[in-house]
Amino acid sequence: AQTVTQSQPEMSVQEAETVTLSCTYDTSENNYYLFWYKQPPSRQMILVIRQEAYKQQNATENRFSVNFQKAAKSFSLKISDSQLGDTAMYFCAFMKETSYDKVIFGPGTSLSVIP
Amino acid sequence: KAGVTQTPRYLIKTRGQQVTLSCSPISGHRSVSWYQQTPGQGLQFLFEYFSETQRNKGNFPGRFSGRQFSNSRSEMNVSTLELGDSALYLCASSLDLQETQYFGPGTRLLVL
Repeated sequence: AQTVTQSQPEMSVQEAETVTLSCTYDTSENNYYLFWYKQPPSRQMILVIRQEAYKQQNATENRFSVNFQKAAKSFSLKISDSQLGDTAMYFCAFMKETSYDKVIFGPGTSLSVIP
Repeated sequence: KAGVTQTPRYLIKTRGQQVTLSCSPISGHRSVSWYQQTPGQGLQFLFEYFSETQRNKGNFPGRFSGRQFSNSRSEMNVSTLELGDSALYLCASSLDLQETQYFGPGTRLLVL
């Protein structure tokens, strides 16, 4: 069975600084998708970034980028120029490529951006 | 394009009652998934519907059920409510089964 681990329950970062959130996963699959979701205090879950396992190039979305290491089964999220609005719970998630499979979420990392 | 909507946003019930939650996916999305989020268990998958058929089911008792209508709207029902059912219930929609999921704001259920 697939598992997703986020070893940092809580993190904090100064505004305008850079922070990296860690995520590791366990799977025997070769093709899959990885996601980072953000859940601010308002509770609306928002997709931050998506990575296809077959792509070697790391995904980037504005200030958000990932470091995808397939062999190490690692998928970290880097947030550059942190803003107060980045304060949220961040979930790493895994989805197999084959049909009819659910998304598996990690336990989350609570990120606080300090002014 | 409007996002995923869930109704009601907040709900208070007592033990033994039943509850129905509703989810309207993003227009054009055919897949709807339901998750339960609690502080202790995190995000747990309940079930996924596609074309009015349940495609996948998580490890929850039979008190939890759902359905999907022809317009892709979905409902989730919990019967014989227990205190432990208090949670945030999230609905997510996607274009197809293997597409990115987009979440609604959730329904916060409190069972007294």
